[in-house]
Amino acid sequence: TQLLEQSPQFLSIQEGENLTVYCNSSSVFSSLQWYRQEPGEGPVLLVTVVTGGEVKKLKRLTFQFGDARKDSSLHITAAQPGDTGLYLCAGVYYNQGGKLIFGQGTELSVKP
Amino acid sequence: KAGVTQTPRYLIKTRGQQVTLSCSPISGHRSVSWYQQTPGQGLQFLFEYFSETQRNKGNFPGRFSGRQFSNSRSEMNVSTLELGDSALYLCASSFAGVGREQYFGPGTRLTVT
Repeated sequence: TQLLEQSPQFLSIQEGENLTVYCNSSSVFSSLQWYRQEPGEGPVLLVTVVTGGEVKKLKRLTFQFGDARKDSSLHITAAQPGDTGLYLCAGVYYNQGGKLIFGQGTELSVKP
Repeated sequence: KAGVTQTPRYLIKTRGQQVTLSCSPISGHRSVSWYQQTPGQGLQFLFEYFSETQRNKGNFPGRFSGRQFSNSRSEMNVSTLELGDSALYLCASSFAGVGREQYFGPGTRLTVT
């Protein structure tokens, strides 16, 4: 069974600080997705990464896919209170026939 | 374009009962996946339907079942409810499947007493 470890589990920072969330697995992903979920709502897709070493930017968010496609990171620059939420990574594994395996999530709180 | 809708949004059931949840995907999307979200286990994949066929299944007991209709709408059924089935049930639709962009609905909050 693939295990997708996400860290840290909780993060409380001040507005303007930078942060990085990590997503790691011992198995190779065919692709990896990052989502953000707010209370009472479903997750919203932020980005999908497919190629090893790929870097994608979404305003102040930078997503990186590891060269070996076993890990990924999300870096937020100058965090704002509106970034508060649950960040989830989700991987599709080659030998899982297309199942999406989610990490436990990172609960981010940005205080003004 | 309308998003994914789920009904009902909230549900309270008694242990031993059964429940049916409904999901209407984004128009044109053929894939519907279901997930269970709990504080302890996080988001867990239940199953995926694509063009009315179950294409993939997670590690849940047979009490959890689903189906998809010709218009891509999907239903999920849980029989003989247990207290541990209390969770947020999310459905997601996609044009091509779970490996591609998925769009989640707001979820159905099920409480089993």
